[in-house]
Amino acid sequence: GEDVEQSLFLSVREGDSSVINCTYTDSSSTYLYWYKQEPGAGLQLLTYIFSNMDMKQDQRLTVLLNKKDKHLSLRIADTQTGDSAIYFCAEKDNDMRFGAGTRLTVKP
Amino acid sequence: NAGVTQTPKFQVLKTGQSMTLQCAQDMNHNSMYWYRQDPGMGLRLIYYSASEGTTDKGEVPNGYNVSRLNKREFSLRLESAAPSQTSVYFCASSETRGAAAFFGQGTRLTVV
Repeated sequence: GEDVEQSLFLSVREGDSSVINCTYTDSSSTYLYWYKQEPGAGLQLLTYIFSNMDMKQDQRLTVLLNKKDKHLSLRIADTQTGDSAIYFCAEKDNDMRFGAGTRLTVKP
Repeated sequence: NAGVTQTPKFQVLKTGQSMTLQCAQDMNHNSMYWYRQDPGMGLRLIYYSASEGTTDKGEVPNGYNVSRLNKREFSLRLESAAPSQTSVYFCASSETRGAAAFFGQGTRLTVV
């Protein structure tokens, strides 16, 4: 089947930039999503990018899409302790398929 | 703004017991989903419903049944719980299949 892969852990210092990477295999994906999950909570849609775009910026968040390499990244500028969470990338063709999630830890 | 509401939040079952997880959404969404979340495995789709009265199996449907009696509600039933069903269960909804989904808070189920 098609897979969405992410590294499981990322640790950064407060104020630094965080970059969370994701690779996917389904070239027919139309949308790619980033979700955030805080402890004890459900997933919350953070941002998304349409497959014909290369980049999308939304305040501190920048999403980059390399469709040729099937690589998606989420950059969080000026990372804060409140950004500590698990971040999931997901691709949408027919159904939505999720990666395993990257646990971001922000150290003071 | 309630969004997607799941009950219960926590549940402990003995092997062989049955239970139903309830989910309701107030966003008038057509599509509803049940996922399970296990460590290191992300979210896996159990069942999907495109509309009232219709359901489709997802990636891991064995041991589960679902019911979409109306547009708002989508329930997940475990007829005979097994320890392998220990997981966190999430209900979600979206306007259409595969569109950006809104998630409930989750149900942490432990089967002993």
